Amino acid sequence: GDSVTQMEGPVTLSEEAFLTINCTYTATGYPSLFWYVQYPGEGLQLLLKATKADDKGSNKGFEATYRKETTSFHLEKGSVQVSDSAVYFCALSEGRSGTALIFGKGTTLSVSS
Amino acid sequence: EPEVTQTPSHQVTQMGQEVILRCVPISNHLYFYWYRQILGQKVEFLVSFYNNEISEKSEIFDDQFSVERPDGSNFTLKIRSTKLEDSAMYFCASSSMQGSNQPQHFGDGTRLSIL
Repeated sequence: GDSVTQMEGPVTLSEEAFLTINCTYTATGYPSLFWYVQYPGEGLQLLLKATKADDKGSNKGFEATYRKETTSFHLEKGSVQVSDSAVYFCALSEGRSGTALIFGKGTTLSVSS
Repeated sequence: EPEVTQTPSHQVTQMGQEVILRCVPISNHLYFYWYRQILGQKVEFLVSFYNNEISEKSEIFDDQFSVERPDGSNFTLKIRSTKLEDSAMYFCASSSMQGSNQPQHFGDGTRLSIL
């Protein structure tokens, strides 16, 4: 079945460092891909999305490009801030099987000043 | 910005008891979902609901679980006879349109602890 694999955390960075969180997926069709973020004590918030190959989703300085050839959707940010400390979830939705979101395990990011 | 609200934020229940988790989806949304996250594990899909009926459910969503939209605003998840392994964070979500590229908006979750 469909699945999402994220790099293991936690990821610990200093402020202004470059961030990459790897995400790869397995899907039988043409899924839409998402990154959700969970700040401490809060729910899941949509960070960005991409619906077809080569699409780039972006929001709040974060970017991710839908790479069909490598089945990847890596999250990047050029300069992280302390306020970016959170858990980041990669997810896919395969239209053919309905609208259920399939999540990766989540990656904890901790940014220090 | 409109948001999904869930109550209670934390529920502690004795094993074997029934529990009802409540959600108020965003008002103009038509599709509703429940997910759960056992501590340290992935967020897992439980069920989706549209037009007063279940549209999809996972293997986790067995006969102990049920969902209901009792009025125009609430969406509930009932666990009939709770087990220790039901302890998890339960998230409600809603979306305005069906389709794989429509974002789901999540609540802050209810932490369910079964003793």
